Amino acid sequence: TQLLEQSPQFLSIQEGENLTVYCNSSSVFSSLQWYRQEPGEGPVLLVTVVTGGEVKKLKRLTFQFGDARKDSSLHITAAQPGDTGLYLCAGDLNDYKLSFGAGTTVTVRA
Amino acid sequence: SAVISQKPSRDICQRGTSLTIQCQVDSQVTMMFWYRQQPGQSLTLIATANQGSEATYESGFVIDKFPISRPNLTFSTLTVSNMSPEDSSIYLCSALVRATYGYTFGSGTRLTVV
Repeated sequence: TQLLEQSPQFLSIQEGENLTVYCNSSSVFSSLQWYRQEPGEGPVLLVTVVTGGEVKKLKRLTFQFGDARKDSSLHITAAQPGDTGLYLCAGDLNDYKLSFGAGTTVTVRA
Repeated sequence: SAVISQKPSRDICQRGTSLTIQCQVDSQVTMMFWYRQQPGQSLTLIATANQGSEATYESGFVIDKFPISRPNLTFSTLTVSNMSPEDSSIYLCSALVRATYGYTFGSGTRLTVV
């Protein structure tokens, strides 16, 4: 059983559309991170959120951390083909070891 | 942030043999981690490797199968021993950069056991 439930597993959208990926858990995390991974590469850190209710924006990407620090979402506005990749959420239970969600494969069609 | 050089990037190995994967970090890091990942799927933590202490393994992973070395603050190796086709996977190392509280990953080793 995965500690972090990530949904949806797959997302295929047209360029210009918006998308949201969710990560949910019954556990409280000291921090939660979002990564993007492309084939043949390791995951690349997008953002770390540590405060309940925190919202971070990175250009067209908006990240939210739930008030109770159990869930998070990633929202992409006006998606572009360059946003295509595997998106992973990962939580730290205050022991520096990351537990990863199952991942969301995002495909943005031109 | 830190940069990790991981090698080999891929290998095809005979069952029963062993493969050692190396990760070199361009700065000193206290904590390093080893993961396994099936293509397109999530990462599973194998073990945590801290310099100066024995690696700590997650449930389902044992030292005899996945011995790890961490001789200094910039280098670590993972050996996949006595390989079987079930060990075919992508293996990734990671390091925690405390200054930014960010985790950096190597580019992975794609292992195929035949």
